[in-house]
Amino acid sequence: GAGVSQSPSNKVTEKGKDVELRCDPISGHTALYWYRQRLGQGLEFLIYFQGNSAPDKSGLPSDRFSAERTGESVSTLTIQRTQQEDSAVYLCASSHPGQGRDRRGYTFGSGTRLTVV
Amino acid sequence: AQKVTQAQTEISVVEKEDVTLDCVYETRDTTYYLFWYKQPPSGELVFLIRRNSFDEQNEISGRYSWNFQKSTSSFNFTITASQVVDSAVYFCALNTFQGGKLIFGQGTELSVKP
Repeated sequence: GAGVSQSPSNKVTEKGKDVELRCDPISGHTALYWYRQRLGQGLEFLIYFQGNSAPDKSGLPSDRFSAERTGESVSTLTIQRTQQEDSAVYLCASSHPGQGRDRRGYTFGSGTRLTVV
Repeated sequence: AQKVTQAQTEISVVEKEDVTLDCVYETRDTTYYLFWYKQPPSGELVFLIRRNSFDEQNEISGRYSWNFQKSTSSFNFTITASQVVDSAVYFCALNTFQGGKLIFGQGTELSVKP
């Protein structure tokens, strides 16, 4: 597609439930990133996929968080046993392997706003 | 370690004033990229500029200008003759050639009052 697509745009869930957030990157972008933005805060790196390489999971805050990506397509971020502190906007971005080909470098989706009640 | 610091949490100016948003970065890599993004109240991230570490020329785009100084590890952003529509949160970010991921500063919330 023309941009990075994320779904759902909004999700309200009860504490303790599992949630799945989806990201459709731009076709041809081999790199995909997940970020978390709490209210009034900056963007916190969660995980990074680059092609078939092992993902960089260094930003995942706990083992309740996991993400998968099959090949160079859709990625799913899963949060198990959600807690109120997980409430945030989860942003996905993708990029072309050669940054020079796209001056912007990264294209961000509109995010999924997760509210844990 | 890589880090981006935006020391100004909030700035408030009156329309038509000039305003500078500060950004200081840390990296041991010699090749890196610096970015500025705008996040208006609607929430989307709007790309403003990308600068690589080998290009220290200042850049101007309309009312926006950027001052990159490797000697002080700074990449400051100036808005000339600010307008109400400039009100947003502005993020500075760093990416190293090898790392892939973008490291963001905490953001500066700019409020431009009429």
